[in-house]
Amino acid sequence: QQQVKQSPQSLIVQKGGISIINCAYENTAFDYFPWYQQFPGKGPALLIAIRPDVSEKKEGRFTISFNKSAKQFSLHIMDSQPGDSATYFCAVASGSARQLTFGSGTQLTVLP
Amino acid sequence: NAGVTQTPKFRVLKTGQSMTLLCAQDMNHEYMYWYRQDPGMGLRLIHYSVGEGTTAKGEVPDGYNVSRLKKQNFLLGLESAAPSQTSVYFCASSFSTTGDYSYEQYFGPGTRLTVT
Repeated sequence: QQQVKQSPQSLIVQKGGISIINCAYENTAFDYFPWYQQFPGKGPALLIAIRPDVSEKKEGRFTISFNKSAKQFSLHIMDSQPGDSATYFCAVASGSARQLTFGSGTQLTVLP
Repeated sequence: NAGVTQTPKFRVLKTGQSMTLLCAQDMNHEYMYWYRQDPGMGLRLIHYSVGEGTTAKGEVPDGYNVSRLKKQNFLLGLESAAPSQTSVYFCASSFSTTGDYSYEQYFGPGTRLTVT
């Protein structure tokens, strides 16, 4: 059973545009929803994260929108830049073991 | 701080051979994890550890073993490699804290393993 579904698989955006990546989850026990960014040949790195007691979190050009009732959350990248071109993974977590379950990833390309 | 390091960076094995991947972290983190990354499948948890001397199974543990004899090291072993284990392996670590980023995991650079 896939616990978190991510879409789209790939995304091409013009410089200055808005990139939107969506994730849906099944288990209401998840209590932490991070987004990781991965550049080619590198390990993933935490970009931004949200807990379910808030509906939105913004850090610079990156915003997470969270809809608890729909069990969905999304990443919005405003004013997308070529340097944002990377693979983005959503994840869900719960429990004291701090295990993360990742989505399948979205390859973002920002055209100059 | 070197953060999380992984050894080796690349490896080619023949079917049936064994090997050990080493992960080391210098951040005094309690939790350590091993993931595999395959195209279109994201990262999947193989095994994890919540402290020195402890290990637990993740989502895809079959064919792998782990050990954490020292807090800073987490070893992943393949006893009899199979072509299905061709993948990029990532180690990560995290620490116990509170707040919005209490689950943050720090990843190493990865090991690309090919089994022929």
